[in-house]
Amino acid sequence: RKEVEQDPGPFNVPEGATVAFNCTYSNSASQSFFWYRQDCRKEPKLLMSVYSSGNEDGRFTAQLNRASQYISLLIRDSKLSDSATYLCVVTSQAGTALIFGKGTTLSVSS
Amino acid sequence: GAGVSQSPSNKVTEKGKDVELRCDPISGHTALYWYRQSLGQGLEFLIYFQGNSAPDKSGLPSDRFSAERTGGSVSTLTIQRTQQEDSAVYLCASSVDRAYEQYFGPGTRLTVT
Repeated sequence: RKEVEQDPGPFNVPEGATVAFNCTYSNSASQSFFWYRQDCRKEPKLLMSVYSSGNEDGRFTAQLNRASQYISLLIRDSKLSDSATYLCVVTSQAGTALIFGKGTTLSVSS
Repeated sequence: GAGVSQSPSNKVTEKGKDVELRCDPISGHTALYWYRQSLGQGLEFLIYFQGNSAPDKSGLPSDRFSAERTGGSVSTLTIQRTQQEDSAVYLCASSVDRAYEQYFGPGTRLTVT
């Protein structure tokens, strides 16, 4: 089983749509969880950290279920500028390295 | 302020040659990481430096890969006797301390012909 698994997509949605991405991770010892965004041929950038209580940042909501080892990202009112690859990320057991999923590609069209 | 910088941005080399990739982390960041991203693959952890501690080399794929960090700042990733499967984008990241947000540089795109 891969350490972090994501549906690769692509997800093709119209502007204004709500879209949800899911991710599962295999190491129950992982302590920190993130969603990163990566634009084509660019470096990854942190979108948001993910907390057990769930957290929201504008149109973005992240959820973590430690028991199920499951992470989600919800994007409301999608914008053209949201088109990118969304990477689910967890820390390694040692808490040092980041373990990345392969990413889910989102394409928002007008 | 200045972000993480990497050089060169692109490197084309012949199979069997050695290459050196450079990373300048954000000033004051004690933690430095190297990752690589191959075509169609996720980011793969290579090595981690934290202050003066011994680096975590658990992600290095073979003994042809090595890295050092001088003076707690600049880091160099060296690949000896490059192979075609080494072709990838090599990304460096730094953070204030371990477990904090990692900021990535623009990467070095390595092509081994």
